[in-house]
Amino acid sequence: DAGVIQSPRHEVTEMGQEVTLRCKPISGHNSLFWYRQTMMRGLELLIYFNNNVPIDDSGMPEDRFSAKMPNASFSTLKIQPSEPRDSAVYFCASSFAGDRAQITDTQYFGPGTRLTVL
Amino acid sequence: KQEVTQIPAALSVPEGENLVLNCSFTDSAIYNLQWFRQDPGKGLTSLLLIQSSQREQTSGRLNASLDKSSGRSTLYIAASQPGDSATYLCAVEGSARQLTFGSGTQLTVLP
Repeated sequence: DAGVIQSPRHEVTEMGQEVTLRCKPISGHNSLFWYRQTMMRGLELLIYFNNNVPIDDSGMPEDRFSAKMPNASFSTLKIQPSEPRDSAVYFCASSFAGDRAQITDTQYFGPGTRLTVL
Repeated sequence: KQEVTQIPAALSVPEGENLVLNCSFTDSAIYNLQWFRQDPGKGLTSLLLIQSSQREQTSGRLNASLDKSSGRSTLYIAASQPGDSATYLCAVEGSARQLTFGSGTQLTVLP
């Protein structure tokens, strides 16, 4: 298995531009997570999906951020308009969330997208 | 709100030493606790997952323990090697399946 795939790996953009980050989860996984990592705040969960449905987006910083999962093999995180404080590494992770009696909730992370907003 | 703390923030040891990394969390109502490794510029790799009903998990030279009632976990690395140099992150999973991460311990193993 190729693991979780993220693109692009690096993105440099100017303030005010729209940024779209992409993620392909591991085949067969039914949960997908978007995280942001910064030196100041560490790793923070932004949003997660279960069976393509957003379950909790309380970590999304503001309305400029939106995420979609149109099917089980693809998700996007969009920032519009981008700001310098959005500069961070954005990780996507996936897992198989089964019955709580048979948890295999290990999350597998992608390599991340390093976003720089000038 | 769950808070996860890792001590120390950084650790440097000579090759061959056994070492312990510490993790504490404020809300004991967790489903599991996971230890991850992160290499510079890379994503996270899951090392060990301990279910809330378990006390410890072992994988090779790694052993993780969990004391849910006291809100503590330790990661024990035996016979450390330079290849173990990385940042080690502890994360707890709550009822809603979200992971709350600690800030990590940056480990350097000197040859």
